[in-house]
Amino acid sequence: GEEVAQTPKHLVRGEGQKAKLYCAPIKGHSYVFWYQQVLKNEFKFLISFQNENVFDETGMPKERFSAKCLPNSPCSLEIQATKLEDSAVYFCASSQSGYGKAFFGQGTRLTVV
Amino acid sequence: EDQVTQSPEALRLQEGESSSLNCSYTVSGLRGLFWYRQDPGKGPEFLFTLYSAGEEKEKERLKATLTKKESFLHITAPKPEDSATYLCAVGGDSNYQLIWGAGTKLIIKP
Repeated sequence: GEEVAQTPKHLVRGEGQKAKLYCAPIKGHSYVFWYQQVLKNEFKFLISFQNENVFDETGMPKERFSAKCLPNSPCSLEIQATKLEDSAVYFCASSQSGYGKAFFGQGTRLTVV
Repeated sequence: EDQVTQSPEALRLQEGESSSLNCSYTVSGLRGLFWYRQDPGKGPEFLFTLYSAGEEKEKERLKATLTKKESFLHITAPKPEDSATYLCAVGGDSNYQLIWGAGTKLIIKP
């Protein structure tokens, strides 16, 4: 069946370098969510989109993080000037409604060294 | 402040030994409580959504229940393939964000 596709699976960046993560949501899903999972399974909400529009960005550290969901392109999450504490697994999820069953990708493991 | 607490942190059971996982929550205006299963190196997999106190849902060996303060995930006669981390998340009236618990790591020994 269809699934949320995230690339790359692993990403290693030196401190201060840029990192860009991609997510292709399931076709027909209007909502996309980005989460950061750090140690001990803690999930932190970053941002959500309704189609190409930002729906909720209250979880985003705006100084260095940005995200886009443009038509006919994978969604992206970009971190400028990465810091050690950005090391985490970043999950993308999509759903048909803004609230309900969400399908998660396999995640991108970002390691900042 | 919206909050989700899961217990225990880890649970080891013998195959066939039934038990329950707990998810306690405080949220202003519950819109939904979600249970997910996460296997190592993978994204969470949706299990259930519960919307109101008294609601119950079942899937194979799993049954989720909801009260006004907590949810239980009951696992009956578990098998080794049920081993995973079980995550609970809630959403409230204030926004569409989900607040996640830290999960319960379930290990079923054959």
